[in-house]
Amino acid sequence: ETGVTQTPRHLVMGMTNKKSLKCEQHLGHNAMYWYKQSAKKPLELMFVYNFKEQTENNSVPSRFSPECPNSSHLFLHLHTLQPEDSALYLCASTLGPGEAFFGQGTRLTVV
Amino acid sequence: SQQGEEDPQALSIQEGENATMNCSYKTSINNLQWYRQNSGRGLVHLILIRSNEREKHSGRLRVTLDTSKKSSSLLITASRAADTASYFCATDASGNTPLVFGKGTRLSVIA
Repeated sequence: ETGVTQTPRHLVMGMTNKKSLKCEQHLGHNAMYWYKQSAKKPLELMFVYNFKEQTENNSVPSRFSPECPNSSHLFLHLHTLQPEDSALYLCASTLGPGEAFFGQGTRLTVV
Repeated sequence: SQQGEEDPQALSIQEGENATMNCSYKTSINNLQWYRQNSGRGLVHLILIRSNEREKHSGRLRVTLDTSKKSSSLLITASRAADTASYFCATDASGNTPLVFGKGTRLSVIA
């Protein structure tokens, strides 16, 4: 266990559905991240939050909407996704520079 | 944009042999980290080497860093079947920038 918990672990959704991914950490970290991992591609940084403020959005389509209500919780709201959005979505947190702690990921399948 | 590039993409060795993976990057870095990922799971931090360090050890792991060549290597000695996983290098350009990962090296250790 890394101290970063993601739910759900698996999610199957239709293209017209709305769902949310949740990430929480109680490590006292100030920064939280969403990464997307597709087959045979590097991890893609999607969003970064520092002290609840979004500091990076890497040209992510608007069908992905992040929310960070506090330093311990991070959400990724999903709506009208496409099949190519199927991937492993990983949440991570850090305290300053150094080691990132990752959750176990949510395996998302869009049908 | 992708920073680290691991080499080889895949490596298959016998148990007991040493495994060496390489990482090259493009811009100056604050530190370089190596992570491990079991299939479909989150990433786990292995070791961090700072830009002013040249070599670091942790158990059966040995990491080198050559900033003049912008490259790093990860050596796993006396490999075990349980070392089978994907290994990623990650860099950050400064203490305030998020980690950027490469595509990883898929290591298979055959018992």
